[in-house]
Amino acid sequence: IAGITQAPTSQILAAGRRMTLRCTQDMRHNAMYWYRQDLGLGLRLIHYSNTAGTTGKGEVPDGYSVSRANTDDFPLTLASAVPSQTSVYFCASSAAGGGLDTQYFGPGTRLTVL
Amino acid sequence: GQNIDQPTEMTATEGAIVQINCTYQTSGFNGLFWYQQHAGEAPTFLSYNVLDGLEEKGRFSSFLSRSKGYSYLLLKELQMKDSASYLCAAMDSNYQLIWGAGTKLIIKP
Repeated sequence: IAGITQAPTSQILAAGRRMTLRCTQDMRHNAMYWYRQDLGLGLRLIHYSNTAGTTGKGEVPDGYSVSRANTDDFPLTLASAVPSQTSVYFCASSAAGGGLDTQYFGPGTRLTVL
Repeated sequence: GQNIDQPTEMTATEGAIVQINCTYQTSGFNGLFWYQQHAGEAPTFLSYNVLDGLEEKGRFSSFLSRSKGYSYLLLKELQMKDSASYLCAAMDSNYQLIWGAGTKLIIKP
C-alpha cells in the first residue's frame, strides 16, 4: 500500500518555466489538498478538491492551478515559476471532503526556483 | 484574522515529560489536530480533540479548552525518536485547517 506518492522528490527550476508537481493516492479518498511549507511559517493551503471534478482555492492560490480529473490524481501546476515559489510542497488527502476528517500527507516535493 | 500560536522550539531530557502549548483564533471551530513531523519528512497525524478535556493515547496526550482557545500536547517518557516538530492545526467553520508554524522539540540524553 503506497498511500500518497509525489513526484518529483526535488527539482531545481529556472524562473519563468512551467512545472507540474504530481500527486497520486491509492486510498480512494474523496478530498485532496496541496500545501506549501516555508521555514517559520505554518503549512499554507494552495488549492483543494473535495471530490473528483471539483476544485477550490485555498489561502495562497495565486500562480498555481490544479485539476481533478479522477479520484486518484491531483496535479499542481506552476504556469510561470518565480523565486518566491521556492518551497516544500505537500499533497494530502482525506476520506471525506468538506468535513471532519484526518488528512494524510505525501512525502513532499522540494522545489527551488532560481 | 485566523491565527495559531505555539512556541518555536523546546528542549527536554530523555525520559522526562514535556508539554507543548498551542493557542488558536479561528472563524468557527471544528476541532484541534496535532501532527508530528520529523526533519525532511511528511507530517503524520497524532491526535484530534473537539470536546474539552484530555485524550490519552499511549505516551502522548492532548488537551483542549474551547473557552480559552487553548490546547496542549503532553509527551511522557521521552525518547530520542521523539525529536521532531509538532504542528498544531485548528479546523475552521469551512472545515479547512489553519496551521501553526510548529514547535521543534529537541531531546537531549
